[in-house]
Amino acid sequence: AQSVTQLGSHVSVSEGALVLLRCNYSSSVPPYLFWYVQYPNQGLQLLLKYTSAATLVKGINGFEAEFKKSETSFHLTKPSAHMSDAAEYFCAVSDRYDRRFGAGTRLTVKP
Amino acid sequence: NAGVTQTPKFQVLKTGQSMTLQCAQDMNHEYMSWYRQDPGMGLRLIHYSVGAGITDQGEVPNGYNVSRSTTEDFPLRLLSAAPSQTSVYFCASSHRGLNTGELFFGEGSRLTVL
Repeated sequence: AQSVTQLGSHVSVSEGALVLLRCNYSSSVPPYLFWYVQYPNQGLQLLLKYTSAATLVKGINGFEAEFKKSETSFHLTKPSAHMSDAAEYFCAVSDRYDRRFGAGTRLTVKP
Repeated sequence: NAGVTQTPKFQVLKTGQSMTLQCAQDMNHEYMSWYRQDPGMGLRLIHYSVGAGITDQGEVPNGYNVSRSTTEDFPLRLLSAAPSQTSVYFCASSHRGLNTGELFFGEGSRLTVL
């Protein structure tokens, strides 16, 4: 069965600093990988998706993620945090038969 | 741009009561699903449907029933609510494979069972 581990349930950065949210996965087949963002009292929105076309995936709001097969990782980054980035972020891994979400990382951005 | 609409947004039940969480999508998506979100556990799949008349169990189906009589609607029924079902519930739909396509989520239904 697939699984996702998000390292760090809470991450705090200063405005303008680098954002790095970590995601490691396990999958027996080439996976699809997703990052979703959840703002307070809202549903999840897709940030970006990896489908094997390119290892560096660019998403919305300046976020990007790099697929590293050797490290089974799909970390999410943004060069410069903005106050509006404060939210909870979820990594997900899937294949044809199953999709699993990580436990989530809450990002706080300090002024 | 309605997308995925869930009702109600908030509900308080007593143990043993029954209720239905409604979900409707206007994107003509074949695939629909229900998740529950609990602190520190991410989202867990309750039930899903790959088309009208077809449903199947997910990771945590016990205590819940679903049906899919139309493409648009996918209600989730709690037959006898228990405190362990206190959670936030999300309905989601997808226009491609249930697991490989982008999921479109509703805004959630927060359920408290006393």
